Amino acid sequence: EDQVTQSPEALRLQEGESSSLNCSYTVSGLRGLFWYRQDPGKGPEFLFTLYSAGEEKEKERLKATLTKKESFLHITAPKPEDSATYLCAVQARGGSYIPTFGRGTSLIVHP
Amino acid sequence: KAGVTQTPRYLIKTRGQQVTLSCSPISGHRSVSWYQQTPGQGLQFLFEYFSETQRNKGNFPGRFSGRQFSNSRSEMNVSTLELGDSALYLCASKVGGSFETQYFGPGTRLLVL
Repeated sequence: EDQVTQSPEALRLQEGESSSLNCSYTVSGLRGLFWYRQDPGKGPEFLFTLYSAGEEKEKERLKATLTKKESFLHITAPKPEDSATYLCAVQARGGSYIPTFGRGTSLIVHP
Repeated sequence: KAGVTQTPRYLIKTRGQQVTLSCSPISGHRSVSWYQQTPGQGLQFLFEYFSETQRNKGNFPGRFSGRQFSNSRSEMNVSTLELGDSALYLCASKVGGSFETQYFGPGTRLLVL
């Protein structure tokens, strides 16, 4: 069974204090790993898709990296508007290819 | 390009009633998936429709059903509502291939009293 574990569950940062969110996964052959950002009461907003170990993608203050067992979402010099819940999901090569989501990391950035 | 739209955005129902939620995917997207999101369980997959056919189904009771129309718009129905059905119901669309990125709508917040 595919599993996704995100840590920490919650993270509080000061504006400008860089940090990383972790997504550990167990899947029988990774097809793709997705990162989404979700604001309270809204649907998840797509950020990145990673396909193979060693791949990196960047968008503004965010950088996502992928290894064979985990993915990191690095946040450089965060701002209060980066406050949100960050969700990670994996899609396996075999089976039903339905994405499995983690429970998310709730990030709060204080000014 | 317009994003995924869902209606209504908020809904209050009482136990035993039924409800129908609607989703319009991004233009050109033929796959629509539905998810239930609750604080306790997180995001859980309900079902996926592609070209008017259910392609995948999650582990939910038969009270939860859906359909897709020829224009790719989709509806989800929940019959005999229970208190535990209170949740944010999310719709996501993609062009149609198996391994593609999904794009989510804003969700419908359902409260069952």
